[in-house]
Amino acid sequence: EIVMTQSPATLSVSPGERATLSCRASQSVSSNLAWYQQKPGQTPRLLIYRASTRATGIPVRFSGSGSGTEFTLTISSLQSEDFAVYYCQQYNNWPPYTFGQGTKLEIK
Amino acid sequence: QITLKESGPTLVKPTQTLTLTCTLSGFSLTTSGVGVGWIRQPPGQALEWLALIYWDDDKLYSPSLKSRLTITKDTSRNQVVLTMTNMDPVDTATYYCARALVGSCGIGACYSFFDYWGQGTLVPVSS
Repeated sequence: EIVMTQSPATLSVSPGERATLSCRASQSVSSNLAWYQQKPGQTPRLLIYRASTRATGIPVRFSGSGSGTEFTLTISSLQSEDFAVYYCQQYNNWPPYTFGQGTKLEIK
Repeated sequence: QITLKESGPTLVKPTQTLTLTCTLSGFSLTTSGVGVGWIRQPPGQALEWLALIYWDDDKLYSPSLKSRLTITKDTSRNQVVLTMTNMDPVDTATYYCARALVGSCGIGACYSFFDYWGQGTLVPVSS
């Protein structure tokens, strides 16, 4: 089973600043990596798939990069609605599909 | 508009079998490249993938839960059903269904991600 490790667990950033979230896989997942956003009490929302492709309707301030075992989600200029929990998920080696434990992005 | 909606019991007793239904709208499980998966989330915890069924009836299960899970589809009703046997309080979670979309295929394998999610249904397990 591939273990996904996200860091940091909590990230405090001011609105308007850049946020960088990391995700590491225990072995290579090629570019088969997705990022999801989950706001309190809401369902997860797909942001990025194939490591760097934005899903339909996702603002350009969200960008993904990386391949193999190291991945990054960058939010270029944080808006108030971006404060949430972010999960990475690999879909290269299955079963099982595995998620990271999440990074909580909070207002500084 | 693509939507998924989960339905099931509001409370399950330990040792009982959980049956959850995901009703699909805006797409069909007869379409090539499409699947539906189940993912759960215990309160305050991370997401855990459970099972996935594809348009061609290929089925995948979490190895750690495989003996307890069964996933089926009813294309005439546009529904996917997940059953989980021998429920325990540690299985208390919000259960989501989500559409799996095949993004690419390699040699002998295809790679799919979850692009649309249902609202989730909270299933407490308690006596």
